[in-house]
Amino acid sequence: GAGVSQSPRYKVAKRGQDVALRCDPISGHVSLFWYQQALGQGPEFLTYFQNEAQLDKSGLPSDRFFAERPEGSVSTLKIQRTQQEDSAVYLCASSLGGPGPQHFGDGTRLSIL
Amino acid sequence: GESVGLHLPTLSVQEGDNSIINCAYSNSASDYFIWYKQESGKGPQFIIDIRSNMDKRQGQRVTVLLNKTVKHLSLQIAATQPGDSAVYFCAENMSDDKIIFGKGTRLHILP
Repeated sequence: GAGVSQSPRYKVAKRGQDVALRCDPISGHVSLFWYQQALGQGPEFLTYFQNEAQLDKSGLPSDRFFAERPEGSVSTLKIQRTQQEDSAVYLCASSLGGPGPQHFGDGTRLSIL
Repeated sequence: GESVGLHLPTLSVQEGDNSIINCAYSNSASDYFIWYKQESGKGPQFIIDIRSNMDKRQGQRVTVLLNKTVKHLSLQIAATQPGDSAVYFCAENMSDDKIIFGKGTRLHILP
C-alpha cells in the first residue's frame, strides 16, 4: 500500500519476554518516528531517524527500548524484558523531512500479561 | 515544561452545527502546528497544518486559526457530520522535526 505499514497489529507477550515491532514507512520518506500512546492519551515521542541515523532517542523510557533503521527504510522497535507498564499502542510515522506533516500507521497494540 | 494541551476533553455537537476545538501551546518558538484526527483503532490522520507566519488557513470544511499573542490554536469544522466523530489532537513542531501532541478532545456528534 501507499501508507505507513506496521506489524503485527496486535501483540500479546508475557512479562519478561522480548518483543520486536516493525514499521514500513512511505517509500522515499527520509524521517521516521516512533511514538507510544497510552489509553486516552496523546502519542508520546520515543525516537526519530533521519535516513539510518538515529538523531533523537530522548523519549525512550529505559535502556530496555531499542530502535534501529539500518538501511534507512524499514525500522524495528525492540523492547527487552517487557514489563506491564510497556502495554500501549506503538505508533510509527514517516515524513519527507523538515517541518511538515507526519503520516502515521495504525499502530501495534502491545499487551503485556 | 513545554507542552501542548487542549481546553476540553470532550465536545458534543449537534449534527450539522459547526464544531470548534481549542488548543493552548506553551512554546513561543514553535513555528509549525498540525491538527490530527484519530478514530478508534487507527493512527492519527493529518487534517490541516499552519505555519507561524499565518493566522488562518482553510481546507475542505476545516479552518485552523492561530493566535500567537496568546499562544492559542483552534480547529473549526463546518457542518459537522457523523464521520467527524473522533479524537482530535493539536501538535506543535519542535526542533529537529519532532512534534509534541496534546492530550486530545473527543468529538461526539449528536443526531
